[in-house]
Amino acid sequence: GENVEQHPSTLSVQEGDSAVIKCTYSDSASNYFPWYKQELGKRPQLIIDIRSNVGEKKDQRIAVTLNKTAKHFSLHITETQPEDSAVYFCAASIDNNDMRFGAGTRLTVKP
Amino acid sequence: ETGVTQSPTHLIKTRGQQVTLRCSSQSGHNTVSWYQQALGQGPQFIFQYYREEENGRGNFPPRFSGLQFPNYSSELNVNALELDDSALYLCASSPWGGQGTDTQYFGPGTRLTVL
Repeated sequence: GENVEQHPSTLSVQEGDSAVIKCTYSDSASNYFPWYKQELGKRPQLIIDIRSNVGEKKDQRIAVTLNKTAKHFSLHITETQPEDSAVYFCAASIDNNDMRFGAGTRLTVKP
Repeated sequence: ETGVTQSPTHLIKTRGQQVTLRCSSQSGHNTVSWYQQALGQGPQFIFQYYREEENGRGNFPPRFSGLQFPNYSSELNVNALELDDSALYLCASSPWGGQGTDTQYFGPGTRLTVL
């Protein structure tokens, strides 16, 4: 089955700096790659997603890139703010089934 | 916030008991997936239901079972509870068919503690 690895496990940046989180996946058939943000005690919230027919997607300060050949995808957050502090999860699935999540990255943005 | 709801919010059980968790999907969504999230880890896929049928299953034993009802709400049942079943149980709903229907929206979760 699919295996998703996520790095780093913790990331601390200064407010205004950029943050990058990287994930790799093992199943070349995976075609959907969402990123979720989870604050303490709350549900995971979708922040951006990308499908295998697209190489890059951007939504304001958040962008995701996908390299299908290398089987890796990355989350980029620019101009970080303290409210960006949370745990971020990447995931991969085939046709919305059996979604596999990475272990998470705890992002801390210091004011 | 999504329109996905779960009940109960918290639950305490003892080892060997059985538990039923409930999930109401977002309006217009006919697919429900269940996940187990242990403390400090990412969600792990348990199974998915589509139109009242199990549509995929992760690496969980048969004592984890589910149902989906005609209104697309769903239940997760766990028999013979073990201490390691203590976790946050999340359900997520999504529509089915066509581009953009693989986005899953999570409910707030049920925190299960097994003593």
